[in-house]
Amino acid sequence: ETGVTQSPTHLIKTRGQQVTLRCSSQSGHNTVSWYQQALGQGPQFIFQYYREEENGRGNFPPRFSGLQFPNYSSELNVNALELDDSALYLCASTKGGGTGELFFGEGSRLTVL
Amino acid sequence: QKEVEQDPGPLSVPEGAIVSLNCTYSNSAFQYFMWYRQYSRKGPELLMYTYSSGNKEDGRFTAQVDKSSKYISLFIRDSQPSDSATYLCAMHTGGFKTIFGAGTRLFVKA
Repeated sequence: ETGVTQSPTHLIKTRGQQVTLRCSSQSGHNTVSWYQQALGQGPQFIFQYYREEENGRGNFPPRFSGLQFPNYSSELNVNALELDDSALYLCASTKGGGTGELFFGEGSRLTVL
Repeated sequence: QKEVEQDPGPLSVPEGAIVSLNCTYSNSAFQYFMWYRQYSRKGPELLMYTYSSGNKEDGRFTAQVDKSSKYISLFIRDSQPSDSATYLCAMHTGGFKTIFGAGTRLFVKA
């Protein structure tokens, strides 16, 4: 069984740039959620995708957007990067819509300078 | 007020001690309660998943939920240095969003 994989693992961007983070869900899982984890904080829900549609969204501005593809992999895009966007971005997959046991990847650590 | 409150620690204990980790919450609609363990520079992994009030045991780990007090706990028996990690409580209503606590950093000294 293949687990959740994320890429890239680390990246550095400057303020105002755009970034795309990628996630491959665990085999058999059709739902992907994205979370932002700032240093010393718990993960904060960004949004969830189920069968290629956004299924729910947290308190993040529209410059955070996403996609889910027919193979259930997903992308998180962040435009107009701000310094406060520096964080660990976690992808989690699960079966079915809604939420249940979340299987997390190891995350993409973004630093915005 | 945050929906989920968790003491960030750090909590330092000797090997073999019983560890008690706790969270409080304010949303009475939460029905599902979880504990995740996160090692440094890794993603969280699920330890315990419980529904509604009561206790659940799995090896050295016991999760307790008291919905009347809006209080959940994780107990670790015979703690080991390999248990050193950040422990995140989490909960949801059955919808699409899981709410996490800030995490408690635990250090188990050999």
